[in-house]
Amino acid sequence: GAVVSQHPSRVICKSGTSVKIECRSLDFQATTMFWYRQFPKQSLMLMATSNEGSKATYEQGVEKDKFLINHASLTLSTLTVTSAHPEDSSFYICSAGHRGPGNEQYFGPGTRLTVT
Amino acid sequence: EDQVTQSPEALRLQEGESSSLNCSYTVSGLRGLFWYRQDPGKGPEFLFTLYSAGEEKEKERLKATLTKKESFLHITAPKPEDSATYLCAGGPFGNEKLTFGTGTRLTIIP
Repeated sequence: GAVVSQHPSRVICKSGTSVKIECRSLDFQATTMFWYRQFPKQSLMLMATSNEGSKATYEQGVEKDKFLINHASLTLSTLTVTSAHPEDSSFYICSAGHRGPGNEQYFGPGTRLTVT
Repeated sequence: EDQVTQSPEALRLQEGESSSLNCSYTVSGLRGLFWYRQDPGKGPEFLFTLYSAGEEKEKERLKATLTKKESFLHITAPKPEDSATYLCAGGPFGNEKLTFGTGTRLTIIP
């Protein structure tokens, strides 16, 4: 149980284009999903918290207009990187909050974004 | 400000050589201390949640313990497949966000 999927696993796009990443909780409903960014050999950096049916809460320093988050249902959240630039190249990981005693987060497999 | 610190940054062990990873935390009103395993190029895999000081949890060769200030992940007789980065994270009550440590990169040498 508690499986989270992400699509695509890898994407290469040209500078100036937009890319959408999907995050789905496959066997549970998640009212809260989280989007992280991870640079090589570094830990996870929380970008935003996504609540179903409401606006996402962004961490300080994360551009809301660049990283658009939508949480349209209890099993799906999307992250759109708009007008991507090479510095946006990174490993993006989503997680879904599981309504257990500790509110564990279960992570997707990640999406490797390369902007050329 | 909530803080989670892991040590060592990297650890190399011979196969079968037991050791412990440390996670010290300062999280207001800790609701849970979480351990994850992350393989290169993959998302973190959930291992354990610890809720209160004195609690212990085990899974195969791994045992996690919790005190009021730190958590340990003990690895007994590790195998090469235990090589990974181990992350710990803390979360406060009333907030689903987690604060992650920077991880310990564990390498088990055959």
